[in-house]
Amino acid sequence: AQSVAQPEDQVNVAEGNPLTVKCTYSVSGNPYLFWYVQYPNRGLQFLLKYITGDNLVKGSYGFEAEFNKSQTSFHLKKPSALVSDSSLYFCAVRQGDSSYKLIFGSGTRLLVRP
Amino acid sequence: DTAVSQTPKYLVTQMGNDKSIKCEQNLGHDTMYWYKQDSKKFLKIMFSYNNKELIINETVPNRFSPKSPDKAHLNLHINSLELGDSAVYFCASSQEGGGGPRNEQFFGPGTRLTVL
Repeated sequence: AQSVAQPEDQVNVAEGNPLTVKCTYSVSGNPYLFWYVQYPNRGLQFLLKYITGDNLVKGSYGFEAEFNKSQTSFHLKKPSALVSDSSLYFCAVRQGDSSYKLIFGSGTRLLVRP
Repeated sequence: DTAVSQTPKYLVTQMGNDKSIKCEQNLGHDTMYWYKQDSKKFLKIMFSYNNKELIINETVPNRFSPKSPDKAHLNLHINSLELGDSAVYFCASSQEGGGGPRNEQFFGPGTRLTVL
């Protein structure tokens, strides 16, 4: 069965420091991986995705993520955090071309302090 | 212009009532979804339609029934509402075409349903 794990409920980082939000997945076959951000009282916004190709994927607002097949991970990163990055982040996985179903992780709250 | 819109934004109702939530997307997408987000922010897929055909029907009570009158609309009707139905319901859409599902989904702002 497909699953996604976000092991940290919350990540705290100082503004200007690099940030990492962790995600590991379990899926049979090739994974399609996504990161979304949810601002308070709003729907999810797409940040980036990995389908195939380069393991390092660049997305919106300066975020990037690295696909690591051996570690089954897709961690979200940003070189320099902003206070405005504080929000709830979700990792999600699809089972390649065979499934329309997107399985979400439990979410990680990112808090960037000034 | 709003890409994926939902009405109403808030819905407060009594147990036992029947209610509907409407969703419209103006992105020209061929696939639409309904998700439920519980109080712990956990997101779960409920239904999905691709070109008006039901393709995902998760294990949800049959009190929940989706209806897709056309590719731009996906409504959710809930009969005999229960306390446990209280949640935020999100509609989403994506353009998948014929190459298999690989694209990002665009989410609506959500409908907060409170059952008293």
